[in-house]
Amino acid sequence: SNGLTQPPSVSVSPGQTASITCSADKLSDKYASWYQQRPGQSPVLVIYQDTKRPSGIPDRFSGSNSGNIATLTISETQAMDEADYYCQAWDSTTAIFGGGTKLTVL
Amino acid sequence: QIQVVQSGAEVKPPGASVKLSCKASGYTFSTYAISWVRQAPGQGLEWMGWVSASNGKTVYGQNLQGRVTMTTDTSTNTAYMELRSLRSDDTALYYCARGAQTLDFWGQGSLVIVPS
Repeated sequence: SNGLTQPPSVSVSPGQTASITCSADKLSDKYASWYQQRPGQSPVLVIYQDTKRPSGIPDRFSGSNSGNIATLTISETQAMDEADYYCQAWDSTTAIFGGGTKLTVL
Repeated sequence: QIQVVQSGAEVKPPGASVKLSCKASGYTFSTYAISWVRQAPGQGLEWMGWVSASNGKTVYGQNLQGRVTMTTDTSTNTAYMELRSLRSDDTALYYCARGAQTLDFWGQGSLVIVPS
């Protein structure tokens, strides 16, 4: 399967580190991106090409991609980080999204 | 600043077609592709495909092959997505975004409702 698998939900306490995973066979052979979607809003790019942050995205957001797993890490998590997060992989000409992970900041 | 503005909501009967627009500004339109992504109510993001604004090349998702056409008009910096033979499960919020590999600026979405 070339689908991207994400956990449906992740919980984290304010100030702690949240990690959201995205898995697929040989995912590290592809570039991974991550998008944040707050309720009622359009998605926002937070990580691209595995590890890069767009302008305006806090450095609390970081990414990695190794083997079969890409990971979005949010350090010093804040209430405003509560959102759905989607991974996306690019395979030469096509893209695919993971099912999404709801991050809850308790 | 870069902006992507989409057309308004549409209600279409089953079997009809819908054509959505996506107007970009703040950058050289022809240097980036435009991708389309949809989101059914309460569901995740579904990649639909992309169109090159420089040469019109398109790549569509396999599940939409034959029903979708994506085009661009470089004279107005506008991209279009037409979806035909609409079904109730096409009800969704349709987004356009700049780019193909990386979608860095997104529109506000266009709601398409196909009553069952």
